[in-house]
Amino acid sequence: SQTIHQWPATLVQPVGSPLSLECTVEGTSNPNLYWYRQAAGRGLQLLFYSVGIGQISSEVPQNLSASRPQDRQFILSSKKLLLSDSGFYLCAWSPISGGPFRGTDTQYFGPGTRLTVL
Amino acid sequence: GENVEQHPSTLSVQEGDSAVIKCTYSDSASNYFPWYKQELGKGPQLIIDIRSNVGEKKDQRIAVTLNKTAKHFSLHITETQPEDSAVYFCAARRPRGQNFVFGPGTRLSVLP
Repeated sequence: SQTIHQWPATLVQPVGSPLSLECTVEGTSNPNLYWYRQAAGRGLQLLFYSVGIGQISSEVPQNLSASRPQDRQFILSSKKLLLSDSGFYLCAWSPISGGPFRGTDTQYFGPGTRLTVL
Repeated sequence: GENVEQHPSTLSVQEGDSAVIKCTYSDSASNYFPWYKQELGKGPQLIIDIRSNVGEKKDQRIAVTLNKTAKHFSLHITETQPEDSAVYFCAARRPRGQNFVFGPGTRLSVLP
């Protein structure tokens, strides 16, 4: 079965410090990978998605970046954190399938990372 | 692009009653509609989904209905229990699309 891991689970960082959040998926190959941010009590904001190694699409311009160095590894980074970067960061994966519903397989979310920027 | 609205934003029901959450979408090409349940401090978990070639799907106490003409789909929870209390998100995805568009969420409280 497939599992998705995120770490760290919680993180407290000062403004201006760098950030690196990691996500890994087990039990599947060539998944689509996603980073979302969720502000307190709010919905899901898509930040980045990736359809393959080295392929990153950004949905929202900001001081964050993403990388996919390996097929099942997705990293979210920042050189200098802002207060507004605080939130709950979720990684998700989606399998790729063929057939009439190609591209319509669902997303499975990781446990999340709670980031607090002080 | 696709836009998904979700109502109500908060919902309180008595234990044992039914709960209904409705979502509307704007892109008639969307063909896949999942529902997620998110408990406090956890990632969203898929609870049920429906594809555009069916009008209804049921899994024990949970059901989803889809009206393609009106472009809306609804989550129905029967015989609610306190453990159903959570935030529920709907989403829509276009064919061959890589991304989902999520609704803003509904906070469901089941009162014992």
